[in-house]
Amino acid sequence: DGGITQSPKYLFRKEGQNVTLSCEQNLNHDAMYWYRQDPGQGLRLIYYSQIVNDFQKGDIAEGYSVSREKKESFPLTVTSAQKNPTAFYLCASSILYFDGYTFGSGTRLTVV
Amino acid sequence: GENVEQHPSTLSVQEGDSAVIKCTYSDSASNYFPWYKQELGKRPQLIIDIRSNVGEKKDQRIAVTLNKTAKHFSLHITETQPEDSAVYFCAASPNRDDKIIFGKGTRLHILP
Repeated sequence: DGGITQSPKYLFRKEGQNVTLSCEQNLNHDAMYWYRQDPGQGLRLIYYSQIVNDFQKGDIAEGYSVSREKKESFPLTVTSAQKNPTAFYLCASSILYFDGYTFGSGTRLTVV
Repeated sequence: GENVEQHPSTLSVQEGDSAVIKCTYSDSASNYFPWYKQELGKRPQLIIDIRSNVGEKKDQRIAVTLNKTAKHFSLHITETQPEDSAVYFCAASPNRDDKIIFGKGTRLHILP
């Protein structure tokens, strides 16, 4: 069953800790993206990657880091430098020159 | 970079009436315009998209129109039903690097 999987669904973090969100896809998509969703803010791009071992910053990359060691995987690390990390995080993937995104089901991160 | 404005932020229509959501974009190079529907607690799903070589596209009760000169595009839902209640996002992509820039979303309520 092809798709894009995010884990965990809910994540709680103490202030000052780094945390990594998982995103895996078996759609053979080249490109992968991380978005952050806040109420009334729409979807804002954090990082994206079009090819293994390469990625670019989006509009709100500060305080986040990513890696793309495998085509199927694009983990996002929320570092302690991110001032307001509580949000809903969505991962997406697409074919290059594409037919739109396929989204994961999201991870809700809460800093406690 | 691209900026997408979406209006209204909230829209209530009587069941059976039509709903229209409007978006504008800033980058004249944008040539791909998808629309996503996000039901409460679920991932965004692509419902319709349009490319810049087409002025209008229709899929059953949903239609999208594009005015490249004015940099406007709109989503039209006819004969609205309760299951149309959701948040709708418009988006634009210049396709130079495949990233999509989203509007802030419209919360559509279908009233019984």
